Amino acid sequence: EVQLVESGGGLVQPGGSLRLSCAASGFTFSSYWMSWVRQAPGKGLEWVANIKQDGSEKYYVDSVKGRFTISRDNAKNSLYLQMNSLRAEDTAVYYCARDDFTKGKDYWGQGTLVTVSS
Amino acid sequence: SYELTQPPSVSVSPGQTARITCSGDALPKKYAYWYQQKSGQAPVLVIYEDSKRPSGIPERFSGSSSGTMATLTISGAQVEDEADYYCYSTDSSGNHREVFGGGTKLTVL
Repeated sequence: EVQLVESGGGLVQPGGSLRLSCAASGFTFSSYWMSWVRQAPGKGLEWVANIKQDGSEKYYVDSVKGRFTISRDNAKNSLYLQMNSLRAEDTAVYYCARDDFTKGKDYWGQGTLVTVSS
Repeated sequence: SYELTQPPSVSVSPGQTARITCSGDALPKKYAYWYQQKSGQAPVLVIYEDSKRPSGIPERFSGSSSGTMATLTISGAQVEDEADYYCYSTDSSGNHREVFGGGTKLTVL
């Protein structure tokens, strides 16, 4: 059974940093692109970033470029999102998702809440 | 920046057919995907590559795409289908941008 479990969310002050983790199991992690998607309270889904199987390609939504870094450790079956210079508008539930070549984002974790507030 | 446009809300009675549209300039070249999100839960894939249904998704869910518009159809909508639905696709300009539509709240009552 495919499982994605996010952790690392919490309350952080504006300008602060946070590192999110996503532990994957039930599939060959190193064979899939992976993504982070966020959802602000009461708002829609927003793709944040994704990373190729070997980490050689990474893409970001414009609003987080230069502040967020996506990475992965295939030996640990883990996906990460390092978030720096956090802003109030980064407040959201952050989901990790598996990217299947044909089915798109076919599995999602339950999400971790990040709140940026003083 | 690339955008996908959905109606904010759709309302049907149980047993009726619900149609949710998604418009985007790149849809003639790129597949549309549809996600269902019930309150407090993670999104669930219901349609991929315009019209394919993942295993475990009821047959009443179907998808189609023509020109710049993709459509999710729920034939004989059930009360349990009440949820937010999001379309998703990618930009065709080669800049690797991924986009979700704004979401459509489906009410079945």
